[in-house]
Amino acid sequence: KAGVTQTPRYLIKTRGQQVTLSCSPISGHRSVSWYQQTPGQGLQFLFEYFSETQRNKGNFPGRFSGRQFSNSRSEMNVSTLELGDSALYLCASSLGRTSGRGPEQFFGPGTRLTVL
Amino acid sequence: TQLLEQSPQFLSIQEGENLTVYCNSSSVFSSLQWYRQEPGEGPVLLVTVVTGGEVKKLKRLTFQFGDARKDSSLHITAAQPGDTGLYLCAGALWGAGSYQLTFGKGTKLSVIP
Repeated sequence: KAGVTQTPRYLIKTRGQQVTLSCSPISGHRSVSWYQQTPGQGLQFLFEYFSETQRNKGNFPGRFSGRQFSNSRSEMNVSTLELGDSALYLCASSLGRTSGRGPEQFFGPGTRLTVL
Repeated sequence: TQLLEQSPQFLSIQEGENLTVYCNSSSVFSSLQWYRQEPGEGPVLLVTVVTGGEVKKLKRLTFQFGDARKDSSLHITAAQPGDTGLYLCAGALWGAGSYQLTFGKGTKLSVIP
């Protein structure tokens, strides 16, 4: 079974530009979550999509948005990039069912975004 | 806001030594997960603990969930260079069909041959 794939793996942008990152979940997984990872703040939750609906959202400004398609693939968009948006952006997929053990998430390798 | 504090932040040890990593919170989580992340890759789930006082063993790794479900520890026996990586704990809260994971900032472990 193929794992979670993210494209592109590396991206360099300048301040003020916008960027779109893509995530293809494991086949059969309906939930996709996005995280931002930086050395200073660690892994921070951005949002989660399940069956094309945003089910949960972290504490990030409205410049960060996402969507999920009918095939469960997901994209996240960051508009008006700032230097502080430089980070590793990770997506994780899961079956999305609530259980007592919590989500079993499988992470992709991430997209390394550098904002100059 | 639920926060997870991990300690130590960095750990460098010789091969064969034992070590313990701690994950503490002032909040109660429904479950707690441990991940390992290697450079250039995403985190990989190692274990999920759910019950207060639960102890799980994964080869040389022992995970414990505190009785009050606010803290957890990871103990590695006879560390090997292959154990090198970033260890992350994450607390899970769910309800009404949704969930959210709160991550600690991680412990960066280096095992020197």
